[in-house]
Amino acid sequence: AQSVTQPDIHITVSEGASLELRCNYSYGATPYLFWYVQSPGQGLQLLLKYFSGDTLVQGIKGFEAEFKRSQSSFNLRKPSVHWSDAAEYFCAVGPYGNKLVFGAGTILRVKS
Amino acid sequence: GAGVSQSPRYKVAKRGQDVALRCDPISGHVSLFWYQQALGQGPEFLTYFQNEAQLDKSGLPSDRFFAERPEGSVSTLKIQRTQQEDSAVYLCASSNRGRDTQYFGPGTRLTVL
Repeated sequence: AQSVTQPDIHITVSEGASLELRCNYSYGATPYLFWYVQSPGQGLQLLLKYFSGDTLVQGIKGFEAEFKRSQSSFNLRKPSVHWSDAAEYFCAVGPYGNKLVFGAGTILRVKS
Repeated sequence: GAGVSQSPRYKVAKRGQDVALRCDPISGHVSLFWYQQALGQGPEFLTYFQNEAQLDKSGLPSDRFFAERPEGSVSTLKIQRTQQEDSAVYLCASSNRGRDTQYFGPGTRLTVL
């Protein structure tokens, strides 16, 4: 069965530091992969997606992610974090039968 | 419209009451999804529509949950005889085609007392 693992429940980084959020997936075919961000009381906003082609994908707000098939990973990165990046980040795989499977999320805290 | 909208944003129900949650998808989007997000968890799939047809309802946790989309646009998720374990944020998403990016609404936070 398909699944997504986000090993880090919480991550704290200093403003201006680099960021990497980990995501590992289990999926039976070539995956469609997504990163969403959720601020408190808000819905999910799409940061970026991978469907095919170049394994390094660029998203909004300066985020990027790299698809590594051999490691079943799709880690999210940002070279310099801003205080406004504090939120919860979700990795998702799919659609499998047109449904997305989400990880449990990683809460990012940014300290000044 | 500009995005997916959901109403109400917050709903408090007494255990045993019925509730109805509404989703207005992005205009022209044929696919509509409902997800349930419990506190501290990622969203979990409930059901999926393509136009007015409910193609997948495998995620509905019990027969107390019912969803409809009679005219292929607005959808309603109904929960009968609410229980405390139904407390969660209910998210609606729409997409242009079944395999395209899903765009999410702000969610309805349901609290069952």
